[in-house]
Amino acid sequence: EAQVTQNPRYLITVTGKKLTVTCSQNMNHEYMSWYRQDPGLGLRQIYYSMNVEVTDKGDVPEGYKVSRKEKRNFPLILESPSPNQTSLYFCASKESPNTGELFFGEGSRLTVL
Amino acid sequence: AQSVSQHNHHVILSEAASLELGCNYSYGGTVNLFWYVQYPGQHLQLLLKYFSGDPLVKGIKGFEAEFIKSKFSFNLRKPSVQWSDTAEYFCAVRTSGGYQKVTFGTGTKLQVIP
Repeated sequence: EAQVTQNPRYLITVTGKKLTVTCSQNMNHEYMSWYRQDPGLGLRQIYYSMNVEVTDKGDVPEGYKVSRKEKRNFPLILESPSPNQTSLYFCASKESPNTGELFFGEGSRLTVL
Repeated sequence: AQSVSQHNHHVILSEAASLELGCNYSYGGTVNLFWYVQYPGQHLQLLLKYFSGDPLVKGIKGFEAEFIKSKFSFNLRKPSVQWSDTAEYFCAVRTSGGYQKVTFGTGTKLQVIP
């Protein structure tokens, strides 16, 4: 089954404790992206990757890092989480940067105390 | 930079009522347009999309949307809503040329009352 898998789905952590949210897709998609969803603000893009070893900032990259060492994986790293990063995070992928629609993961709800 | 506006933040309808959710975008070039739906506690799923051709597109579950280029709009419609349509709906725009960025609107929460 074609899917985008995120882990963990739920996480409560404390300020400053590094964490990683993993994202994996099994559709051989070139393009992957991370969004955060906040009430009243919709989805905002954090980082995206057009292919292996190619990543770039989205609209709200501050406080986040990503890497794309393999085509299927695109982890989101919060080196020193802060309470304003409490949000619902979605990973998404699509076949290529310039075609197709986005396929979303189930979401990861992160709370930073 | 492009932007997407969804003016209705929260819509409450009774079952069988007709639905129209507004979506306007600002971008002067060629666009691809999408509506995504997010059911409670779930991820976003594609409802319908417009790339080219007939500006009236039909999606899943009886939804349709009309692209009006002169109005920069892509409104979502359904003649008769059901309780199961309770969800949040997001309009999204992808621009052409170069890196084709996808920009989402802020979403419209639809509540359908039985």
